[in-house]
Amino acid sequence: ETGVTQTPRHLVMGMTNKKSLKCEQHLGHNAMYWYKQSAKKPLELMFVYSLEERVENNSVPSRFSPECPNSSHLFLHLHTLQPEDSALYLCASSQVASGRAYPNNEQFFGPGTRLTVL
Amino acid sequence: LAKTTQPISMDSYEGQEVNITCSHNNIATNDYITWYQQFPSQGPRFIIQGYKTKVTNEVASLFIPADRKSSTLSLPRVSLSDTAVYYCLVGGRMDTGRRALTFGSGTRLQVQP
Repeated sequence: ETGVTQTPRHLVMGMTNKKSLKCEQHLGHNAMYWYKQSAKKPLELMFVYSLEERVENNSVPSRFSPECPNSSHLFLHLHTLQPEDSALYLCASSQVASGRAYPNNEQFFGPGTRLTVL
Repeated sequence: LAKTTQPISMDSYEGQEVNITCSHNNIATNDYITWYQQFPSQGPRFIIQGYKTKVTNEVASLFIPADRKSSTLSLPRVSLSDTAVYYCLVGGRMDTGRRALTFGSGTRLQVQP
């Protein structure tokens, strides 16, 4: 257990569905992240929410929409996904000290949500 | 993330020391060097982080030369459970000024009995 939980662990959805991934961190951290890991591809940062900065990877399609209502919760809203969006979606959190923005701080990853888009 | 270069794969035997080197020529002054370990279908797990010289913890050592353009993760006496993918992560921006946003391909370590 890393102190970062993700639900659901597995999700199968059709291209017309709308679903949300949830992440919760119990570590008191002030930054949270979404990553995508496709088969045989590098782990790719999608979004960062922290006191230092908010980063959005410009290559992420608008069908992925993040929401961070507070420092402990992070959501990834999904709509009209494509089969190529099937991947492992990982959430992470970290404690960001002043002057040490991403990725210069230790990140704690959740177990991920395995998403399959049919 | 600064562009990093690591060997794609390495093989070792139980009980041996394993050294994985990462090149990061465009590391910036404020960047730290962080290594993660990832098992299949799990999130990466932090191993060690350093800025310069040598850092040691209970699982690994990290050697960083004075120019900081490379780093070496050292795993003493590996076991079968160390079979995993190891990522070197360095902050900073690419030469274009844009932030690079991937972990890189990592090094797949296979430990044999």
